[in-house]
Amino acid sequence: DAGVIQSPRHEVTEMGQEVTLRCKPISGHDYLFWYRQTMMRGLELLIYFNNNVPIDDSGMPEDRFSAKMPNASFSTLKIQPSEPRDSAVYFCASSLAQGFQETQYFGPGTRLLVL
Amino acid sequence: AQKVTQAQTEISVVEKEDVTLDCVYETRDTTYYLFWYKQPPSGELVFLIRRNSFDEQNEISGRYSWNFQKSTSSFNFTITASQVVDSAVYFCALLPRGSTLGRLYFGRGTQLTVWP
Repeated sequence: DAGVIQSPRHEVTEMGQEVTLRCKPISGHDYLFWYRQTMMRGLELLIYFNNNVPIDDSGMPEDRFSAKMPNASFSTLKIQPSEPRDSAVYFCASSLAQGFQETQYFGPGTRLLVL
Repeated sequence: AQKVTQAQTEISVVEKEDVTLDCVYETRDTTYYLFWYKQPPSGELVFLIRRNSFDEQNEISGRYSWNFQKSTSSFNFTITASQVVDSAVYFCALLPRGSTLGRLYFGRGTQLTVWP
């Protein structure tokens, strides 16, 4: 079975540019999460969705960040405009919240560098 | 408050040594899950184990074992006869069931280096 798929795996961009990160969750999973990992702050939850609806976006750093989930098999995280401090690894994860099946499975991450 | 503390930032051992990674958690929820994830140098986060708060039985999987003790709010992870391939950052995480469903709280991780 395919795991969580993220693209691109690496992104290098210049300050001010728009960046779009993509995620395809595991088929059948009803929760999708976006995390950011930096040395300074560790793993931070940015936003998560349940059945394509955003549940908690309190971790989104500021208005420059936005996330969408137009359907059950696709989500995007957009940064516009990007800044050097956005450089981090961005992970997408998904889970199935039925009974005890709540383990979050992570994608390989997108390593973002903003110059 | 929901919190996970991994007091050991870095651990170095020599191959074949046993090593224990500590994890202490805080939650007011009576129902919760605890997890361990491994992040090897390649960067992905790999799920290792999930325990629910009603099951305090220790678990063993090959060279890995986990000790869950509610009395001390700890969920420690032991690697027996460590190998170089065990070198990674290990994260402990808490998923409270009483609060908003789905939110996972991570510790800061423990960097384990196993030397040949």
